[in-house]
Amino acid sequence: KQEVTQIPAALSVPEGENLVLNCSFTDSAIYNLQWFRQDPGKGLTSLLLIQSSQREQTSGRLNASLDKSSGRSTLYIAASQPGDSATYLCAVEVDTGRRALTFGSGTRLQVQP
Amino acid sequence: EAGVTQSPTHLIKTRGQQATLRCSPISGHTSVYWYQQALGLGLQFLLWYDEGEERNRGNFPPRFSGRQFPNYSSELNVNALELEDSALYLCASSLESGYYGYTFGSGTRLTVV
Repeated sequence: KQEVTQIPAALSVPEGENLVLNCSFTDSAIYNLQWFRQDPGKGLTSLLLIQSSQREQTSGRLNASLDKSSGRSTLYIAASQPGDSATYLCAVEVDTGRRALTFGSGTRLQVQP
Repeated sequence: EAGVTQSPTHLIKTRGQQATLRCSPISGHTSVYWYQQALGLGLQFLLWYDEGEERNRGNFPPRFSGRQFPNYSSELNVNALELEDSALYLCASSLESGYYGYTFGSGTRLTVV
């Protein structure tokens, strides 16, 4: 059974810092991995999607990498801003025939102005 | 382009009643997914509908059911509500394949009293 772990569970940084959020998964035979952002009480906003054949994806100040062999993904946020404060979730899809994402428990990020 | 829309935003029901939640996918998306985010339990896969059929179900009892309409919109029904059904219910949609990832709505907050 796929398990997804996110470290750290919470993170507080001053504005302007570069930071790394970690996601690990137990079954390396993934179809894709997706990073989401969730504001309190809200839905999920997709940030980056990495398909199994890819090693990384970039969007603006965000960069996500994927190492399937070690079961790890990292989300790098450059020059953090208070508006980045949210919970960041990673989700993996193992079997596209079943279409069920397995989510980590998230990293709650607070960027202090 | 309209995103995934869910209604209602909030729903309060009494234990034992039935709840109906609705979801409209992004135009062009044929698959709809339901997830439950209960406090302390993280996001859990509930159901996947495609072309009007239930394709996959998560580890939830049969009182969680739903359907997908010819216009690809979907509704989730929860019968015989229990207090622990209180959660944020998120709907997502995707193209025919999940290859391009999943887009989530803002959710319906169900409170069972």
